[in-house]
Amino acid sequence: GENVEQHPSTLSVQEGDSAVIKCTYSDSASNYFPWYKQELGKGPQLIIDIRSNVGEKKDQRIAVTLNKTAKHFSLHITETQPEDSAVYFCAARRPQGGFKTIFGAGTRLFVKA
Amino acid sequence: NAGVTQTPKFQVLKTGQSMTLQCAQDMNHEYMSWYRQDPGMGLRLIHYSVGAGITDQGEVPNGYNVSRSTTEDFPLRLLSAAPSQTSVYFCASKTDWTASTDTQYFGPGTRLTVL
Repeated sequence: GENVEQHPSTLSVQEGDSAVIKCTYSDSASNYFPWYKQELGKGPQLIIDIRSNVGEKKDQRIAVTLNKTAKHFSLHITETQPEDSAVYFCAARRPQGGFKTIFGAGTRLFVKA
Repeated sequence: NAGVTQTPKFQVLKTGQSMTLQCAQDMNHEYMSWYRQDPGMGLRLIHYSVGAGITDQGEVPNGYNVSRSTTEDFPLRLLSAAPSQTSVYFCASKTDWTASTDTQYFGPGTRLTVL
């Protein structure tokens, strides 16, 4: 069945360093890849997304890259700040079958001041 | 706009009890869904609805029922709670079910414990 693998499960960086989270997906029909940030006690919130016809997208300190051939996509956070500490989820969505979105297991990011 | 609201925030049930988790959105979104979040497993889709009167099963529908009588509300019912249903439940909505609008808005979650 469809699957999204996310690595690492935990990531600790020093403030100002970069953080990279990687995901792979199994369903080649997936065409939309959102990233969500979940702060403690809150629901996930979309922070950036990318569609399958684009290789890279950037929004200030956050960027996402997509390699369709390898079925990999990654989240890059530059100049990390303590408020970036949260759990990040990648996801992949296919356009058929009820537009099902499959989520990765999550990465807990700690940014040390 | 309040966005997506969920009640209650916390609930403890005994095995076999029933309850309804409430979800409401005030954004006039057609598409609503329920997820459960378990440690190390991300979010898994339980049920979803593409509009009032229309519901369908997700990945893990067993033990849960839903209905969608209005655009605003999408309650999730546990008919006979089991310890395996201990989880955090999130409701989400988006404008419609088509591919052109993908941003899902999540509620704050309900933490359910079944003893």
